[in-house]
Amino acid sequence: AQSVTQLGSHVSVSEGALVLLRCNYSSSVPPYLFWYVQYPNQGLQLLLKYTSAATLVKGINGFEAEFKKSETSFHLTKPSAHMSDAAEYFCAVSHPNSNSGYALNFGKGTSLLVTP
Amino acid sequence: GAVVSQHPSWVICKSGTSVKIECRSLDFQATTMFWYRQFPKQSLMLMATSNEGSKATYEQGVEKDKFLINHASLTLSTLTVTSAHPEDSSFYICSASDGRPQHFGDGTRLSIL
Repeated sequence: AQSVTQLGSHVSVSEGALVLLRCNYSSSVPPYLFWYVQYPNQGLQLLLKYTSAATLVKGINGFEAEFKKSETSFHLTKPSAHMSDAAEYFCAVSHPNSNSGYALNFGKGTSLLVTP
Repeated sequence: GAVVSQHPSWVICKSGTSVKIECRSLDFQATTMFWYRQFPKQSLMLMATSNEGSKATYEQGVEKDKFLINHASLTLSTLTVTSAHPEDSSFYICSASDGRPQHFGDGTRLSIL
């Protein structure tokens, strides 16, 4: 079974500071890993994904994540936080499914607060 | 980019009624659609996976007679919450895939009085 663990349910950073949201995965097969962002009362928007190509993945809105197999990690970073980055962030891993190849297991989410 | 439309966005209804939620892929053919449930301040929990033209596969603990899923075409899936009760109140989110990573709808807030 594949799963992800997000360390820290709440992260607070100052505007302009580095954003680091942690995600560790557990998988018996090479995983596909994703980061999604969710704004209040909305669905999920894909920030970036790792699908066994380059280990450093660049996404939208200045976010990037690095797949580190030795650490089983896929942490999300952004050099400089913006007020509009305040949202809920979910790390997810895809798992084999007889009906589809992209059924997702989500982490519990990290709420990012950006202070002025 | 790919767009998934979910309707309605908000539903308030009395206990005992049935509620239908629609999920449409607007610019691609969704061979697979997923239905998730999200409680406040919690993560998304997969309820079921449906492929066009076949019966949905439900996750353990999800009552298939309670949550009816129909995926009759490559662009439309529906979730019907039958005889809804207050404990069914939640945020329901659909997603759609054509074999590539899922695209999510904006969710439906269901409140049962």
